[in-house]
Amino acid sequence: KAGVTQTPRYLIKTRGQQVTLSCSPISGHRSVSWYQQTPGQGLQFLFEYFSETQRNKGNFPGRFSGRQFSNSRSEMNVSTLELGDSALYLCASNGGSGETQYFGPGTRLLVL
Amino acid sequence: GEDVEQSLFLSVREGDSSVINCTYTDSSSTYLYWYKQEPGAGLQLLTYIFSNMDMKQDQRLTVLLNKKDKHLSLRIADTQTGDSAIYFCAESSGGSNYKLTFGKGTLLTVNP
Repeated sequence: KAGVTQTPRYLIKTRGQQVTLSCSPISGHRSVSWYQQTPGQGLQFLFEYFSETQRNKGNFPGRFSGRQFSNSRSEMNVSTLELGDSALYLCASNGGSGETQYFGPGTRLLVL
Repeated sequence: GEDVEQSLFLSVREGDSSVINCTYTDSSSTYLYWYKQEPGAGLQLLTYIFSNMDMKQDQRLTVLLNKKDKHLSLRIADTQTGDSAIYFCAESSGGSNYKLTFGKGTLLTVNP
């Protein structure tokens, strides 16, 4: 069974630009969660999608958005990038016993 | 609100046992998890425990849960240098909302 795939793995952008990150969950999983990891704030929940619907949202500004497609693949978008958006963005594929979340390798975003 | 606390550093000698501690505040936590993160990588799910359990053992890993004190611990027996990583405690309030609250992580250093 393939794991969680995230693309791209690394990105460099400049302030004011926008970025789109992609996540393909484990086959059969219909829920995807996104997290931001920074040295200062640690791991913070962004949002969760199930069957193309956002079910839960963390405390992030509206510049952070996401969507999920009918094949369960998910994308997140950050518009008008700020230096503070530099982080590791992790996607989790949700399912199985214990409401477990399986994480992808992450996309490392650097905003200059 | 929800909060998860962990000590930041732990150093042990190879072959010794490691014990990583975690406290949480959300009394409605349904599942509690331990994740491992190696440098430059995503999060690897190690184990989880349901809130009505006291203990769970999985090979070298033992999880102890004191629900009254909201205290969780992860014991790694016969710690190896390959166990050196950051370990995150996380809690979920269940209800299939797939939103995890993480601690800041404990950096485990295993000395030969």
